[in-house]
Amino acid sequence: DQQVKQNSPSLSVQEGRISILNCDYTNSMFDYFLWYKKYPAEGPTFLISISSIKDKNEDGRFTVFLNKSAKHLSLHIVPSQPGDSAVYFCAASVTGGGSNYKLTFGKGTLLTVNP
Amino acid sequence: DTEVTQTPKHLVMGMTNKKSLKCEQHMGHRAMYWYKQKAKKPPELMFVYSYEKLSINESVPSRFSPECPNSSLLNLHLHALQPEDSALYLCASSQWGLAGARRDEQYFGPGTRLTVT
Repeated sequence: DQQVKQNSPSLSVQEGRISILNCDYTNSMFDYFLWYKKYPAEGPTFLISISSIKDKNEDGRFTVFLNKSAKHLSLHIVPSQPGDSAVYFCAASVTGGGSNYKLTFGKGTLLTVNP
Repeated sequence: DTEVTQTPKHLVMGMTNKKSLKCEQHMGHRAMYWYKQKAKKPPELMFVYSYEKLSINESVPSRFSPECPNSSLLNLHLHALQPEDSALYLCASSQWGLAGARRDEQYFGPGTRLTVT
């Protein structure tokens, strides 16, 4: 049973436009959400996160939006650059109970930004 | 230094071989992790070490044996593996036990691509 779902395996956008990557989750215990970026032959890199007490977190060109009632989050990249081309993993964790080391990952979305 | 290093990058081993994967970090993190990632799948947690002690074993077969010699190093000893164990093995590290620090914000190494023949 997949608790974190990224339903789009791939996304292609033009340089300078907005990239929107989506993620849905089913476990209502999740209260912290993270996005990781992965280039080929490298490990995932932590990009941005959001706590469930917020609905938006922004860091430069990257903004994550959280809709708790819909159990949905999205990552917006504006403007998109060719160097953003990578696989993006959505991940979730539960803060309480001492288990917040445990990341539940989605399957990832391959973003391609075309020059 | 926010780097986690892993050696070797690639490893091919037979089912009767014994080999080891190595991981190192110098960020002062007191938690280190081993993950397994198969093609087109997300990483799956295998082991967690906190303060050099094994905290979590996610029901991993005994042919995988982790070791944490000190706070900067993490090894994964491999013995009698099966072809289905072929995968990318990722090491990660994070803070643990510090107020305000999150264990889920983990720094990953580039991985070791393991092929079992």
